[in-house]
Amino acid sequence: SQTIHQWPATLVQPVGSPLSLECTVEGTSNPNLYWYRQAAGRGLQLLFYSVGIGQISSEVPQNLSASRPQDRQFILSSKKLLLSDSGFYLCAWSAVEQFFGPGTRLTVL
Amino acid sequence: AQTVTQSQPEMSVQEAETVTLSCTYDTSESDYYLFWYKQPPSRQMILVIRQEAYKQQNATENRFSVNFQKAAKSFSLKISDSQLGDAAMYFCAYRSASGGTSYGKLTFGQGTILTVHP
Repeated sequence: SQTIHQWPATLVQPVGSPLSLECTVEGTSNPNLYWYRQAAGRGLQLLFYSVGIGQISSEVPQNLSASRPQDRQFILSSKKLLLSDSGFYLCAWSAVEQFFGPGTRLTVL
Repeated sequence: AQTVTQSQPEMSVQEAETVTLSCTYDTSESDYYLFWYKQPPSRQMILVIRQEAYKQQNATENRFSVNFQKAAKSFSLKISDSQLGDAAMYFCAYRSASGGTSYGKLTFGQGTILTVHP
């Protein structure tokens, strides 16, 4: 069966520090992968999606970037975090429906 | 572009009662998928139910069922015999069934917070 992992689960970072969030998928090959951000009590905003290694599409211009160095690995990064980057970050992979990881709660102080 | 609208920011239900969450969508496509996701306080997104637009029969998963009205572009979720564990935010989502540039992306509604009273 397929599983999706995200780490870390929780992260507190100062403004201006770098960021790296990792997502890995097991049990499937060449999945489409997605990064979402969710503010507290709000809906999901699609940030990036990837249809293959090295193929990244950005949905929203922002301070973040994404990379896919391996088939089942998706990384969300920032060189310098802003206060507005705080939120809950979800990774997902898709068959027909999307399956989500447990998420990372990021607080930028 | 497709849009998904959940007009009920909050709903409440008594335990063991039935509640219906509303969702409408706008699309020019004829072939697509619709989903309901549940996000409990843990914030894990859990797939509740899926409906293919070409199917006339409404999807059912245990206590969860949908009322899919394709012409009206309506996709409501009915929860029967509500349980305390059903308390969560519920999201309606749309996905095109065509290939090309959709890439399996989902369009989400704004969410409905469901409270279950004992």
